[in-house]
Amino acid sequence: NAGVTQTPKFRILKIGQSMTLQCTQDMNHNYMYWYRQDPGMGLKLIYYSVGAGITDKGEVPNGYNVSRSTTEDFPLRLELAAPSQTSVYFCASTGIANSYEQYFGPGTRLTVT
Amino acid sequence: GNSVTQMEGPVTLSEEAFLTINCTYTATGYPSLFWYVQYPGEGLQLLLKATKADDKGSNKGFEATYRKETTSFHLEKGSVQVSDSAVYFCAYQGAQKLVFGQGTRLTINP
Repeated sequence: NAGVTQTPKFRILKIGQSMTLQCTQDMNHNYMYWYRQDPGMGLKLIYYSVGAGITDKGEVPNGYNVSRSTTEDFPLRLELAAPSQTSVYFCASTGIANSYEQYFGPGTRLTVT
Repeated sequence: GNSVTQMEGPVTLSEEAFLTINCTYTATGYPSLFWYVQYPGEGLQLLLKATKADDKGSNKGFEATYRKETTSFHLEKGSVQVSDSAVYFCAYQGAQKLVFGQGTRLTINP
């Protein structure tokens, strides 16, 4: 199992540009999550999904969109990048069978200038 | 509301010192509890967990006991190493998602 994979690892965007952060898991987990981690801070939940076709907002959803067309993939879309979105983004997944232990991807470091 | 409160960092210790990082939570019922660790430049990974009251989770010399009376899940290690330098996050299982503490940065000096 590859676990949770994220692409790209690094990205620099100009203000107003758009991009999609990719996240894929091969553990057949129903639940998937997107977090952002600002320097020296904890995690903030952006969006989550409890299954294909179902998504819900977390603490900080503004400026982001998600979709969940398959169990494996949970892309995060930034439509109009702003400097406040400079952060490290982590995708995670979990399932009921493993007591909700979340498995994290390696992260995407995004800089908006 | 539901929340997790962790000991504020940063924490700096010498090698072989005893470590405690406090964690308390407010939640309904008896949720599963977790400690995650984040090494520099990496994502979070599970360190240990406890799924019911009085359970003790352990891994890599770290331990934490689920105390329902004090709603706590303090992380302990008897003798820390330089390689334990990382950020540690306490979390509990809320409705459909984990609730994380703010993280505690630990630095171990040789």
